[in-house]
Amino acid sequence: EVQLVESGGGLVQPGRSLRLSCAASGFTFDDYAMHWVRQAPGKGLEWVSGISWNSGSIGYADSVKGRFTISRDNAKNSLYLQMNSLRAEDTALYYCAKSIWGSYPPVAFDIWGQGTMVTVSS
Amino acid sequence: DIQMTQSPSSLSASVGDRVTITCRASQSISSYLNWYQQKPGKAPKLLIYAASSLQSGVPSRFSGSGSGTDFTLTISSLQPEDFATYYCQQSYSTPEGFGPGTKVDIK
Repeated sequence: EVQLVESGGGLVQPGRSLRLSCAASGFTFDDYAMHWVRQAPGKGLEWVSGISWNSGSIGYADSVKGRFTISRDNAKNSLYLQMNSLRAEDTALYYCAKSIWGSYPPVAFDIWGQGTMVTVSS
Repeated sequence: DIQMTQSPSSLSASVGDRVTITCRASQSISSYLNWYQQKPGKAPKLLIYAASSLQSGVPSRFSGSGSGTDFTLTISSLQPEDFATYYCQQSYSTPEGFGPGTKVDIK
């Protein structure tokens, strides 16, 4: 079964750091680009960051650039998001998503995890 | 950054209706446009990519069209399981932003 499972979310104080992980299974992980998408409670979708199959191409939303770092370990079939200097506006459900292509760009996400909730509050 | 808008923001329709949702980009994005469906409490589902390519496993009542700045998602005959929120996403340039969504509910 093709599956993405996120972990690492939780309650964190403003200014602190958190690292999200996404474990992939059921497909050849290193054939595809991977992305993080977030959704604040009751709000729409926001693309956060993406990484190509070989980590050669990486992109970030302006709202997280300089604070978040995406990475992947193809040997471990895992995707990561290091989030530093967290702000209240980063509070959201963070989804890991698989692209239908190996390269990035372009993007189209055919497999999504169930998300991990990040709450930034004092 | 490219801004995406959708209209309407919500609509009420009946089973069997033909439904059309519009997405507009602030500049030309060629055919780099995706459509997703999201139901409450669930992850989004890819319906259409590259403006008009139907994702594997998606019913043929869903179709996409358009290029440049104006795009449409059409549901030819609305089914009970289609009541959801629909998002467009541009794939032309980083950041690959989404539209604000269109909620389709039961009339």
